[in-house]
Amino acid sequence: SQTIHQWPATLVQPVGSPLSLECTVEGTSNPNLYWYRQAAGRGLQLLFYSVGIGQISSEVPQNLSASRPQDRQFILSSKKLLLSDSGFYLCAWSVLAGGGEQFFGPGTRLTVL
Amino acid sequence: GQNIDQPTEMTATEGAIVQINCTYQTSGFDGLFWYQQHAGEAPTFLSYNVLDGLEEKGRFSSFLSRSKGYSYLLLKELQMKDSASYLCAVPPSGGYQKVTFGTGTKLQVIP
Repeated sequence: SQTIHQWPATLVQPVGSPLSLECTVEGTSNPNLYWYRQAAGRGLQLLFYSVGIGQISSEVPQNLSASRPQDRQFILSSKKLLLSDSGFYLCAWSVLAGGGEQFFGPGTRLTVL
Repeated sequence: GQNIDQPTEMTATEGAIVQINCTYQTSGFDGLFWYQQHAGEAPTFLSYNVLDGLEEKGRFSSFLSRSKGYSYLLLKELQMKDSASYLCAVPPSGGYQKVTFGTGTKLQVIP
């Protein structure tokens, strides 16, 4: 069966500090991978998606970046966090090109102080 | 582009039936998803509709009208554990990977 892992579960970081969130998927090959952010009381905002190793598409210009160094690994990074980066970060994967059911990881709750 | 509208909040009584509506506007259409998200947790898949009509899955049913750009999620025999946000989502068409999620409807089930 397929599983998706995210860590850390919670994170408190000062403004201006770097960020690295990791997501790994098990039990499937060549998944589509996604990073979402959900601010308190808000909807899911797609940040990045990837259809393969080294292939990253950005949906929102901001101080975040993403990388996919391996088929089932997706990393979200920032060099300098902003207060507005606080939120619930969710990694997800899907099989079908062009959408399909998405399976979400447990999420990382980031608080920037 | 794609646009989705859902009511922000709803309240219903335990044991009752509630209908959560979703209207969408898309340039193409490849189906519609419903997800459930409990507070502080990740969304989980509930249903997928690509053809018009009602799809029933236990206490939950989902309806789609493509001509009206309209869907609803019907929850029967409400339980306290059904208190959650319900997200409507439209997958992309034309080969892109971006799924558009609605902002979600927060359902509170009261005794």
